Amino acid sequence: EIVMTQSPATLSVSPGERATLSCRASQSVSSNLAWYQQKPGQAPRLLIYGASTRATGIPARFSGSGSGTEFTLTISSLQSEDFAVYYCQQYNNWPPGGTFGQGTKVEIK
Amino acid sequence: EVQLVESGGGLVQPGGSLRLSCAASGFTFSSYSMNWVRQAPGKGLEWVSYISSSSSTIYYADSVKGRFTISRDNAKNSLYLQMNSLRDEDTAVYYCARTYYDILTGYYGAFDIWGQGTMVTVSS
Repeated sequence: EIVMTQSPATLSVSPGERATLSCRASQSVSSNLAWYQQKPGQAPRLLIYGASTRATGIPARFSGSGSGTEFTLTISSLQSEDFAVYYCQQYNNWPPGGTFGQGTKVEIK
Repeated sequence: EVQLVESGGGLVQPGGSLRLSCAASGFTFSSYSMNWVRQAPGKGLEWVSYISSSSSTIYYADSVKGRFTISRDNAKNSLYLQMNSLRDEDTAVYYCARTYYDILTGYYGAFDIWGQGTMVTVSS
């Protein structure tokens, strides 16, 4: 099973600042990597697929990069609505699988 | 509006059974593969099961294999998850999620539409 490791577990950022979230795969997943945002009490929302393609309706301040085993989600200027938990997911060997990282919580500094 | 709505969650004793449903609307359900994903209280996301658009291909996570059964009824635009021999560790919010598919490029993967989730609590 491919293990996805996200860092840091919690990121404290001030509104308007840049946030950089990392996701590492235990083996190559090519560019088959997605990022999701989840707010309390809500379902996850797809932000990025294919490691770097924004999903429909996702603001340009969200960007993804990386391939192979190292990936990054960058939020260029944090807005109040961006404080949430972010998960990465590999789907290179899905189905079955499609393992998620443990999440990074972005909180207000 | 593209939408998925789950139902069927509740409290069940260990060893019991429950059937979850997911009603799809706003898109051609029969063209998309579907998934169940769960989230234990305060924990991360865990993929549970996959079913192809025609039901010809089905997969399960090892943690539920042999106990859960995924199915769909394309005529009713509905996805199901039959859960048997439930354990305490199956307690979670269960989401149905659509597999993203770009008809123009053929790109396939990630989960682009999620339901609001239904809570399953396994406890005596």
